[in-house]
Amino acid sequence: DIQMTQSPASLSASLGETVSIECLASEDIYNNLAWYQQKPGKSPQLLIYYASSLQDGVPSRFSGSGSGTQYSLKINSLESEDAATYFCLQDSEYPFTFGSGTKLEIK
Amino acid sequence: EVKLLESGGGLVQPGGSMRLSCAASGFTFTDFYMNWIRQPAGKAPEWLGFIRNKANGYTTEYNPSVKGRFTISRDNTQNMLYLQMNTLRAEDTATYYCARSKSDWYFDFWGPGTMVTVSS
Repeated sequence: DIQMTQSPASLSASLGETVSIECLASEDIYNNLAWYQQKPGKSPQLLIYYASSLQDGVPSRFSGSGSGTQYSLKINSLESEDAATYFCLQDSEYPFTFGSGTKLEIK
Repeated sequence: EVKLLESGGGLVQPGGSMRLSCAASGFTFTDFYMNWIRQPAGKAPEWLGFIRNKANGYTTEYNPSVKGRFTISRDNTQNMLYLQMNTLRAEDTATYYCARSKSDWYFDFWGPGTMVTVSS
């Protein structure tokens, strides 16, 4: 299985700041990476697919980048509604696997 | 409006069986792969498997972690997805989600989930 190492595990930032979350794959996943946002008690919502494509309806302050084994999610101009846990998903190879998650707190 | 709604969760004893259902609406069900994903409380999700769409013959793919114990099926006349779970263990305790995907890639919409607790 492809292992997805996500960092940091938690993050605290202020309104208006920019943050980045990283995912490192155990092998090349050829940009087959998605990012999800999950709020407490809710199901995950798709933010980014194919490493950098923004899902319809997702604010443009979210962006994804990376290639090979290293990928990142950047959130610009943090808003209070961005407080959530974020997961990466590799869909390059079965079984699809998720990162361990990053809990983002807004100060 | 796309909707997915899981049902059938609850408490089951170790070694028991349970069938989860997922009712789909608001999209052409047969065009989509349908996935099951679970998430233990406070942990990352785990993809369990999918059943392909009509164009790909409704074949299935499973995570080896559940292959042989879990079976995914669909009723395309009722727009329903199912997960049959056998020989359940305590470590199967989780919230179970159905999710759709256009192909064998990311999931673009998830249901709200149903909780399964395996305990005596």
